[in-house]
Amino acid sequence: QSVLTQPPSVSAAPGQKVTISCSGSNSNIGKNYVSWYLQLPGTAPKLLIYENNKRPSGIPDRFSGSKSGTSATLGITGLQTGDEADYYCETWDSSLSAIMFGGGTKLTVL
Amino acid sequence: EVQLVESGGGLVQPGGSLRLSCAASGFIFSTNSMNWVRQAPGKGLEWVSYITGRSDTIYYADSVKGRFTVSRDNAKNSLYLQMDSLRAEDTAVYYCAKRFQSTLGSSALDYWGRGTLVTVSS
Repeated sequence: QSVLTQPPSVSAAPGQKVTISCSGSNSNIGKNYVSWYLQLPGTAPKLLIYENNKRPSGIPDRFSGSKSGTSATLGITGLQTGDEADYYCETWDSSLSAIMFGGGTKLTVL
Repeated sequence: EVQLVESGGGLVQPGGSLRLSCAASGFIFSTNSMNWVRQAPGKGLEWVSYITGRSDTIYYADSVKGRFTVSRDNAKNSLYLQMDSLRAEDTAVYYCAKRFQSTLGSSALDYWGRGTLVTVSS
């Protein structure tokens, strides 16, 4: 069981907006920056969001991140079928001295 | 262009050993911290190990502590993972990933290799 809790799945229609939550604790999300990754089937994960809300070069502004207290949220607007993937949150846990990943959320674009 | 290429995976019996390598290019390897992350078949991501550029700080996940050893050779732009006392639950695709150079201390991983599959089975 992951230290960071994500919903196993979310779904929405093309063009709509979806949010994915990531819940942690004071020792991880509460103290450290959150990152989000996208993993398409059969490929390596790709960094989507870093330092809670920043996008690497090349990531469209349809993707956004936020953090409040011990929770973080990934938002995706203007959903496209190509967004169907697994999404993971990640942060450092200061008590465990370890990187933690959420369990992953499978996004289905109906 | 940043490239990370893992190698060394394969089939190994329980209790056996394997050494993974990750060849890095396209960035100054010696000044970047690196990680190993694994993914069991059909499962989520699990962080395995972290090593700083000078190898002066190393961390391991509890699940591999005492069995796995991370190292690097900056002259060869290479990262390694020595895996001993392998168990069936170590079966996974192993990725090497570069830590994002953040002035704020973020643990983000900005580049990943394609991974190498390790199968532990008799």
